[in-house]
Amino acid sequence: GENVEQHPSTLSVQEGDSAVIKCTYSDSASNYFPWYKQELGKGPQLIIDIRSNVGEKKDQRIAVTLNKTAKHFSLHITETQPEDSAVYFCAASINNAGNMLTFGGGTRLMVKP
Amino acid sequence: EAGVAQSPRYKIIEKRQSVAFWCNPISGHATLYWYQQILGQGPKLLIQFQNNGVVDDSQLPKDRFSAERLKGVDSTLKIQPAKLEDSAVYLCASSLDLSSTEAFFGQGTRLTVV
Repeated sequence: GENVEQHPSTLSVQEGDSAVIKCTYSDSASNYFPWYKQELGKGPQLIIDIRSNVGEKKDQRIAVTLNKTAKHFSLHITETQPEDSAVYFCAASINNAGNMLTFGGGTRLMVKP
Repeated sequence: EAGVAQSPRYKIIEKRQSVAFWCNPISGHATLYWYQQILGQGPKLLIQFQNNGVVDDSQLPKDRFSAERLKGVDSTLKIQPAKLEDSAVYLCASSLDLSSTEAFFGQGTRLTVV
């Protein structure tokens, strides 16, 4: 089955700096890669996603890149703000949709004011 | 629009006891998921329903876990008997259908088995 590895497990940045979280996946058939943000005591919330036919996608301060050959994808957050502090999860699916997701282990991002 | 509702929020039980969790998905959502999230890990899919039918339950420990969605709306997840390693947050999520990209998660039920 699919295996998704995520790094780093914790990341501390100064407000205004950029943050990068990286994930690798094992199943070359995976074709949908969402990123979720989980705040304390809440369920994960989708923040951005990318399909395998796209190399990069951007939405305001967040962007995701995908390298299918190397089987890795990354989340980039620019101009970080304290409210970006949360746990971020990458995930992968072979169904080109949000079902049958395999999640990474998560990255705790702390943005220091 | 109301979100995914789960209850209870917290539950503490002794090992070998049984426990049940309830989920009410977003109205009109045909697909419902149950995930197990152990502390410090990502969510792990346990079972996925499309209406009242099971789409995938390959990661559900069927000797102790069961789930149902009899009328295609609410769902219950049961553990009987519970083990210490079942301590986790159980998340319910729903999406419009199987082709939807966004799954909406509830707040989860935190289970502690002592």
